[in-house]
Amino acid sequence: GAVVSQHPSRVICKSGTSVKIECRSLDFQATTMFWYRQFPKKSLMLMATSNEGSKATYEQGVEKDKFLINHASLTLSTLTVTSAHPEDSSFYICSARGGTSGTLNEQYFGPGTRLTVT
Amino acid sequence: AQKVTQAQTEISVVEKEDVTLDCVYETRDTTYYLFWYKQPPSGELVFLIRRNSFDEQNEISGRYSWNFQKSTSSFNFTITASQVVDSAVYFCALSEKYNFNKFYFGSGTKLNVKP
Repeated sequence: GAVVSQHPSRVICKSGTSVKIECRSLDFQATTMFWYRQFPKKSLMLMATSNEGSKATYEQGVEKDKFLINHASLTLSTLTVTSAHPEDSSFYICSARGGTSGTLNEQYFGPGTRLTVT
Repeated sequence: AQKVTQAQTEISVVEKEDVTLDCVYETRDTTYYLFWYKQPPSGELVFLIRRNSFDEQNEISGRYSWNFQKSTSSFNFTITASQVVDSAVYFCALSEKYNFNKFYFGSGTKLNVKP
């Protein structure tokens, strides 16, 4: 149980275009989803936290107009990188949490999406 | 402030050797959780263990063991009789009980196990 998927696993886009990454909780309802970014050979950096039906909370230094996050349902959150630039190339990982107690209080991580902007 | 330090950037061992990955953390909270994750070359994070700050018992799971020492704010991870499949980047992470949203990840330790 507690499986999180991401789609696509890899995407290449041209500079200036927008790209959408999906994060789905497959067998549980995710009240909270998180988006992380990982630069090559670096640690994971939390970008934002989203709760179903409300606006995402962005970490300091993350441009909310550039990284649009939507958590429209309890099983789906999307991250849209708008007007992508080569410096946005990175590995994006989502995680989902199902509740506030028990095992679903854990964060379950998706497999990640590798974005390359050319 | 909350911080996780993994001082070992990269470690190389020969198969069957034991290896310990160090993790030192800082937090002002008395209640928190510590984690270890494995990230193989494919990229996905594999959950290994979660430890509550009130539970200082060491844990063993097969070839893996964890040593939690609150006195030194350390949560070290030992792999016994390492195997090539253990090659990966290992992350230590901290989250606070009352702000479980935030994970503070260490910078990771890349483990290379050579045959």
